[in-house]
This record gives sequence, structure tokens and C-alpha cells, in this order.
Amino acid sequence: GAGVSQSPSNKVTEKGKDVELRCDPISGHTALYWYRQRLGQGLEFLIYFQGNSAPDKSGLPSDRFSAERTGESVSTLTIQRTQQEDSAVYLCASSLASGGLNEQFFGPGTRLTVL
Amino acid sequence: SQKIEQNSEALNIQEGKTATLTCNYTNYSPAYLQWYRQDPGRGPVFLLLIRENEKEKRKERLKVTFDTTLKQSLFHITASQPADSATYLCALDRGSTLGRLYFGRGTQLTVWP
Repeated sequence: GAGVSQSPSNKVTEKGKDVELRCDPISGHTALYWYRQRLGQGLEFLIYFQGNSAPDKSGLPSDRFSAERTGESVSTLTIQRTQQEDSAVYLCASSLASGGLNEQFFGPGTRLTVL
Repeated sequence: SQKIEQNSEALNIQEGKTATLTCNYTNYSPAYLQWYRQDPGRGPVFLLLIRENEKEKRKERLKVTFDTTLKQSLFHITASQPADSATYLCALDRGSTLGRLYFGRGTQLTVWP
């Protein structure tokens, strides 16, 4: 079946513009995660959704970052007033449920470049 | 918060040798520990999961150990091949049923012919 998909694959924007990144998780997966990965760095947790529970937003770096998820489907990560330090690959992952027992399936990522 | 350390940022070994990667953690005692592989320009891919009450897990040329006393997991690749070259990440939970995973920064493995 289809894996996790993300769009766009690449996004170039000007400093100060808003961007929206989309993630389509695997059907039936109740947990969805967003990560940021700067060049040559590790995964930086941003936010995760688990079913209808309140999302864990503890990793969002500033109030310019927000994310939504409709039910157990698509999620969008929005970055307002982008800054050059926002340039990174944004990875989305989904799993059957949250927790350490469930493997995460990652999408290919969106490479964001802020000029 | 959970702190995870993976040994050396880079590990270089010769083809045919066994690669051993280390993941150390502090604070919480995880119920599960996972290992992922990440190739350049791609998202991580799950490899193995080991539970706190398991000492060892094997899958083909891969072996993972989990020592909750030392708070350490070792990831071994036997008979390594150049195709094994990638970054390997460990990830663990906080010992609760639900919740997020905490990822280490990863170790970049290079296997040279």
C-alpha cells in the first residue's frame, strides 16, 4: 500500500512569507509526527497527534509554527513569517499508535529553503 | 527530559568486519528501544525493536542488545557491506504506553571495500 506522502517535496520561499507543508499518513495510523532536520543534524521533534487527544506541541520552536490534523488523516504544518533559520527538511511520520511499541513510517520530507 | 547519546558521530570500518554502534540514555527507563536507518535525502526506515525485558534481538545480519542496568543498547552489523553505509538512529520511549519517541542524533557508518 501507499506509504507516508508529503508535499511539496521542495519549497523555496522568501523571508517573511508563510508556508504550508502537507502530510498524508498511512491509512489507519492514529499517530502522526512532525520533525525538523537541519543539514547534517539529527531529528528535532516538533509536534505529534494521537487520535482525538490534544496534540503534544512541546517541540514547536516558536509561535510562528503551528500544525493541524483533521481526524486521523491529513496534517498541515504552517510556518508564519519564515526566517532563514527555518531552512531544513521537514519530515512527517505516522504509526498505528503512539508509544515505543509502534514503529514510525517516515515520508520523504519537504526541503524548505528560506532566502 | 530524556537524553540519548550515540557513540561518535562517524564510524568507519572495513567490509566484512562487524560494526558496533552504541546508544546510551539517561533519566527515564524505556519500555521499548528502536533502531532506524537513514540514507542521505530520505526519511529514516525502521530496522528493529527490542523490549526492556529482552536481552537480544536478531534479524539477518543485525543484532541489537539492551542492557537496562547500563542504560545502553548496542547495534551490531555483522559481515558489513558498503551498502550498509548510512546513518543509524536509536529511538526510545519514556516507559509509558503512549507518547512520542526520543531520537538520538545518529551515527554515520561508512563501510569501505
